[in-house]
Amino acid sequence: DADVTQTPRNRITKTGKRIMLECSQTKGHDRMYWYRQDPGLGLRLIYYSFDVKDINKGEISDGYSVSRQAQAKFSLSLESAIPNQTALYFCATSDPDRGTDTQYFGPGTRLTVL
Amino acid sequence: GENVEQHPSTLSVQEGDSAVIKCTYSDSASNYFPWYKQELGKRPQLIIDIRSNVGEKKDQRIAVTLNKTAKHFSLHITETQPEDSAVYFCAASRRGTSYGKLTFGQGTILTVHP
Repeated sequence: DADVTQTPRNRITKTGKRIMLECSQTKGHDRMYWYRQDPGLGLRLIYYSFDVKDINKGEISDGYSVSRQAQAKFSLSLESAIPNQTALYFCATSDPDRGTDTQYFGPGTRLTVL
Repeated sequence: GENVEQHPSTLSVQEGDSAVIKCTYSDSASNYFPWYKQELGKRPQLIIDIRSNVGEKKDQRIAVTLNKTAKHFSLHITETQPEDSAVYFCAASRRGTSYGKLTFGQGTILTVHP
């Protein structure tokens, strides 16, 4: 089945380290998103991309950067990780041009910054 | 930008009872309102959605109602079962090429006691 995958699934790192989270999808969707989930705060949008040449900041982009290497790949980087970036990170995809607005989420990456 | 408020943050019911989760939104141009369910340790998945041209939509035991004038929408689950226990998120967006990003509510932890 077509799916959204994320690597790594869990990561522990130290303050100041650079870290990259990767997302791949086999759904053939044009749109990809990065969210972070914190208890009591829901899912907050970090960055989104509507195609390979289109990258947009979400509501909480400070401290993060992204790269859309191909239609199927969207990576999130923390240039210098800090403890308050400890969270669960989700990648998602969608393709409204196919008649549905559904976003399909990856399994998540649990990131701990010590 | 859009702001979505979700209540209650936690909800505990007995099996067989009904559960209602409410959300309000701020952007009167929002026209798409999905609900996602996230089971423990799993990814969020769409369970039902509604577009602004209808006031109610049902799918077996779940239903969503929308009041555009008051800018609020609600999820109704009837005859709850233990497997309904999860975190539920509402969201809002403007459907269309340039505005497809979702703004999520803070989430509701639903616990159904056998």
